Amino acid sequence: GESVGLHLPTLSVQEGDNSIINCAYSNSASDYFIWYKQESGKGPQFIIDIRSNMDKRQGQRVTVLLNKTVKHLSLQIAATQPGDSAVYFCAENRDRGSTLGRLYFGRGTQLTVWP
Amino acid sequence: DGGITQSPKYLFRKEGQNVTLSCEQNLNHDAMYWYRQDPGQGLRLIYYSQIVNDFQKGDIAEGYSVSREKKESFPLTVTSAQKNPTAFYLCASSISLAWNEQFFGPGTRLTVL
Repeated sequence: GESVGLHLPTLSVQEGDNSIINCAYSNSASDYFIWYKQESGKGPQFIIDIRSNMDKRQGQRVTVLLNKTVKHLSLQIAATQPGDSAVYFCAENRDRGSTLGRLYFGRGTQLTVWP
Repeated sequence: DGGITQSPKYLFRKEGQNVTLSCEQNLNHDAMYWYRQDPGQGLRLIYYSQIVNDFQKGDIAEGYSVSREKKESFPLTVTSAQKNPTAFYLCASSISLAWNEQFFGPGTRLTVL
């Protein structure tokens, strides 16, 4: 079926290293993707988004890459810090052309940063 | 500060009781959403509203009800018909239903005793 999924449920990295969190999607009609960060017991916070007419978008210490050929999305965090420890969700909008901009969320990846 | 507030942060309910979760936003957003989050799972859409006095069922609406009498407010009632209500509930808003970026509140953790 169609789904937003993640390759790994957990990821552990050492402080200062770069982190890469992956997300697979199967709906080629999706034209918008967004990454959220969720700290324990809190609501998700927007990190970065990308539209399907782009391959790459950069923010502060974060980069999102979109490979439409293999339907793959990744979030790269440079120089990972302990404060980056959280669950990271990708979400997609599958309803291209619809007035409904609902998002479909993956299960999330737990990122743990070790000192 | 502009944002979304949810109350209470923690809520305990006895079986058979209805409870109402509050969600307020001062972002002047038209669209509002309610999600349920269970451990190790993604967010599942309960209800959404694109404008005052209008709302639609999401993927898991059974046992829940909502109202949208004011633009700023979108309360969620968890009824006794919801068989497994213990979860983390998140409210979100966006500029409009067609605008993808959603802003989330801090969440309410509901526990059924």
